[in-house]
Amino acid sequence: SAVISQKPSRDICQRGTSLTIQCQVDSQVTMMFWYRQQPGQSLTLIATANQGSEATYESGFVIDKFPISRPNLTFSTLTVSNMSPEDSSIYLCSVEGASRDHEQYFGPGTRLTVT
Amino acid sequence: GENVEQHPSTLSVQEGDSAVIKCTYSDSASNYFPWYKQELGKRPQLIIDIRSNVGEKKDQRIAVTLNKTAKHFSLHITETQPEDSAVYFCAAFGRRDDKIIFGKGTRLHILP
Repeated sequence: SAVISQKPSRDICQRGTSLTIQCQVDSQVTMMFWYRQQPGQSLTLIATANQGSEATYESGFVIDKFPISRPNLTFSTLTVSNMSPEDSSIYLCSVEGASRDHEQYFGPGTRLTVT
Repeated sequence: GENVEQHPSTLSVQEGDSAVIKCTYSDSASNYFPWYKQELGKRPQLIIDIRSNVGEKKDQRIAVTLNKTAKHFSLHITETQPEDSAVYFCAAFGRRDDKIIFGKGTRLHILP
């Protein structure tokens, strides 16, 4: 499976500020996904990011709050804008496997704390 | 859309015994069912998956079964070891939603 890295691994931010999370993959992938995992909870899909098109957001998530870039087939960013303590969570990127048959592999995650 | 229910939420098993985690799904068109293991502070890892054209799949101590008629699938871990302690998530690829939907997770404790 692909090697996926995320930066930063963790951050503590003040409310009202924004944080951009980077996701880098060591091979070209078509489908990239951004998830949120709140403490002790399951994984919630924020959006699907495909290269060359606008990200597709899930219900409850909007582009103004979580703008996403996908400039090429190995990289994506997620920005958490105008943060509040409710945004404290782990944010994970994932990619579809090389067989492109729905299996997903996750990055290590970014632990965000908003004070 | 797809809905995935997972039981139990917590499971304690004596080391060496077997553990079974069960999930149900709602979308009869779903055709892909992965299982993820997440250790504390780590990323979810894909440990096994099954597709709708197969009834059972095994990988060493781990097996997954799928009953399409009843719309449920299960993870079986045999000869459990301390390193099996983790949270396990089932999931289903909902063809109507065109995305993977996760269950709420099962926290598995292996008791010494």
